[in-house]
Amino acid sequence: DTEVTQTPKHLVMGMTNKKSLKCEQHMGHRAMYWYKQKAKKPPELMFVYSYEKLSINESVPSRFSPECPNSSLLNLHLHALQPEDSALYLCASSQDRTNYGYTFGSGTRLTVV
Amino acid sequence: QKEVEQNSGPLSVPEGAIASLNCTYSDRGSQSFFWYRQYSGKSPELIMFIYSNGDKEDGRFTAQLNKASQYVSLLIRDSQPSDSATYLCAVNMGGAQKLVFGQGTRLTINP
Repeated sequence: DTEVTQTPKHLVMGMTNKKSLKCEQHMGHRAMYWYKQKAKKPPELMFVYSYEKLSINESVPSRFSPECPNSSLLNLHLHALQPEDSALYLCASSQDRTNYGYTFGSGTRLTVV
Repeated sequence: QKEVEQNSGPLSVPEGAIASLNCTYSDRGSQSFFWYRQYSGKSPELIMFIYSNGDKEDGRFTAQLNKASQYVSLLIRDSQPSDSATYLCAVNMGGAQKLVFGQGTRLTINP
């Protein structure tokens, strides 16, 4: 299995809603990532988990809350988002170092209304 | 100076020609370099990686690395309309556990 699976593919949520994005990989990768990508911009790193521990938080607002329940799963909990948070949210995984690059999931297209 | 720089394009190349995409990076300690292809509305897909100075070939794709000049390039031979996409250069800087992406170059192959 060489895939990173993200659910849902599309999500529309109100500014008072709470929702979660899910990501799963079964490649034995020990590092997992959340990226945010706005239109015509490169992916922007949000969080890095290494061996199930949060190792990098790129000063992301607290309305985004990551969780890594085990080495195969990564969640991103969303609460009180703003319309400007609408974007493509990408999950990726890699071996414990990034020497071989990331494998990206297909992303969740999030719209905040 | 941005950490990873690419010409945003658009770059327009006739079908069958060679497309040349360029990327420069700021950190001399960078160790590994990647090219991702991203179709509109889709996620990035890794197409090449390179660690050592010189050329690395994979089918129609050739990655070139020059660490002294801090320069990475991607050549696409016999360009096809299906190669039309945004190409993202990514660099693993100084052993940090993250990739830094360039702005991406939008490539259009004209039939």
